[in-house]
Amino acid sequence: SQTIHQWPATLVQPVGSPLSLECTVEGTSNPNLYWYRQAAGRGLQLLFYSVGIGQISSEVPQNLSASRPQDRQFILSSKKLLLSDSGFYLCAWSGDRVQEKLFFGSGTQLSVL
Amino acid sequence: TQLLEQSPQFLSIQEGENLTVYCNSSSVFSSLQWYRQEPGEGPVLLVTVVTGGEVKKLKRLTFQFGDARKDSSLHITAAQPGDTGLYLCAGATGNQFYFGTGTSLTVIP
Repeated sequence: SQTIHQWPATLVQPVGSPLSLECTVEGTSNPNLYWYRQAAGRGLQLLFYSVGIGQISSEVPQNLSASRPQDRQFILSSKKLLLSDSGFYLCAWSGDRVQEKLFFGSGTQLSVL
Repeated sequence: TQLLEQSPQFLSIQEGENLTVYCNSSSVFSSLQWYRQEPGEGPVLLVTVVTGGEVKKLKRLTFQFGDARKDSSLHITAAQPGDTGLYLCAGATGNQFYFGTGTSLTVIP
């Protein structure tokens, strides 16, 4: 069966520090991968998605970047965090067929102080 | 970026009552999904609707996709405390999934 791992679960970082969040998927090949950000009690904002190694599409211009160095690995990064980067970050994967659905990781709560 | 507006944003009801949550957009989607999310966890899929006018039932939950595939509704019959959570609609277009603004439901015993 397929599983998705996302870490860390909680992160507190000072303003101006770098960020690296990692997500890996097991039990499937060539998944579509996604990074979302969520404000408390609100909907999810699509940040990046990837349909293959090295292929990254950005939805919103921002202080963040994403990379996909391996088929089932997706990394969210920042060189210098801003206060506004605080939020709940979710990684997700889907297959490449019609009527696909998203499977989410357990999320990372990032607080930038 | 596709925008999906959900209403109401917050809903607090007594156990046993019925409720409807709406998801509206000006965009057409190839499919629309509903997810439920618990605090501190990722959303979990409830249902996917694909055909305009489609109605799907999942126990006490009824989902409908609008004829023009731009909107959807979620109806819960006889709500229970276990239904408490954040309900999210999501529209799919190509490889992208765009989420609604969310509806926070609290069912009071």
